[in-house]
This record gives sequence, C-alpha cells and structure tokens, in this order.
Amino acid sequence: AQSVTQPDIHITVSEGASLELRCNYSYGATPYLFWYVQSPGQGLQLLLKYFSGDTLVQGIKGFEAEFKRSQSSFNLRKPSVHWSDAAEYFCAVGARAGNMLTFGGGTRLMVKP
Amino acid sequence: DTAVSQTPKYLVTQMGNDKSIKCEQNLGHDTMYWYKQDSKKFLKIMFSYNNKELIINETVPNRFSPKSPDKAHLNLHINSLELGDSAVYFCASSPDSLLNTEAFFGQGTRLTVV
Repeated sequence: AQSVTQPDIHITVSEGASLELRCNYSYGATPYLFWYVQSPGQGLQLLLKYFSGDTLVQGIKGFEAEFKRSQSSFNLRKPSVHWSDAAEYFCAVGARAGNMLTFGGGTRLMVKP
Repeated sequence: DTAVSQTPKYLVTQMGNDKSIKCEQNLGHDTMYWYKQDSKKFLKIMFSYNNKELIINETVPNRFSPKSPDKAHLNLHINSLELGDSAVYFCASSPDSLLNTEAFFGQGTRLTVV
C-alpha cells in the first residue's frame, strides 16, 4: 500500500524568503505525485503534479517540485514566499486502482511579515 | 461557475440523526470521490465511483451510503450520526479512473455532530 510522509507539521518563514516543504512517499510502482494547497476554510487546489518525464515540474503561483526517485521524495519549493502563501500544503500519491489519492498529513505554512 | 459544488457548506446535527451531503460536478468527469478530513487535517479516501458504479469503498462504516443518480452527482448519506463523524467531507471528481489527471475538489462540508 502506498503512503506519504510530510515530516514538518508546521513551518514559519519570513515573507520574501525561500521555502521548501518536504514530502516522502512509499509506492511499489511509478508514482503519480501531487501537491495541493488548502487555504483556511477552503477546498483543495492543485499546485502541480508529476506523472513522468522531466523530474522538475512547475506549478501555479510560482511553485515547483522535484521528483527524486532515489530518495523517494517530491519536495515543494518556492524562491520567494508571499504572505498569501500561508496555508496548509498536502502532498499526495495516486494509485491506479480507482484513481484514489493517498495524502500526507499536511504542512501548515505561516508567513511572517 | 463552480466546478465541483457541495451542499451544505456547514452542517450541525445531533447524534443519532440521518443527514445527506450533496455533490455535483459540471466538468463532465466520469469519476467522483468522497474524502474525509479529520480534526488533525488528515485526508482519507472514503469512496470512489466511476460512471455511477462503486470502485472503491475503503473501511467506512456501513452507516455511510453513497448514492450516484448520474455521473454528475455523488451524494453521501449518513445514518445514525456519531460524534466521531464530525469532520470536513470533500467531494472530488476526475475525468476518468486512469491516473493521468488530477482530482478537482469541492469546498468541503463541515459536519459537526453534537
């Protein structure tokens, strides 16, 4: 069975600083990987996804993520954080059967002015 | 237009009651899902439907019964509500059951059982 670990429950960064959110997965086959963002009281919005090909994927809002098979990681990065990026971030791995997503526990990002 | 819409957004009810949450998607997708997010923000799949047929039913109590009248709708009916059912329930959809696309999520329904 697949699993996803987000080691950091909370992260606080200053506005304008760079950001990296960690994600490690366990999956027996080629993973389909996603990052979603959840703003307070909102649903989940897809930031980016990896299916195959280039291991560095670009997403919306200036985010990118790099798939590293050797480390079973799919870390999310942003070079300069904005106050509006404060939210909960979820990494997920997809399973072919039923297209279900298995989510990590989430990382809450707080941005200091 | 909202792609995946859920109603109601908030639901407060007493233990033992029966309630339903409705979900509709206007994206023409074949596959719909229900996810549960608990108080610790942990998200877990409950059900997956493809073209009105159940594909996945994770270890969910049979008090939870999804109903898909057509492929644009997947409603969740919950019988004999318990305190532990309090959570945010998310509906989602994706174009088909092949995993080359992402899931689109609704805004969630916050269920509080008192």
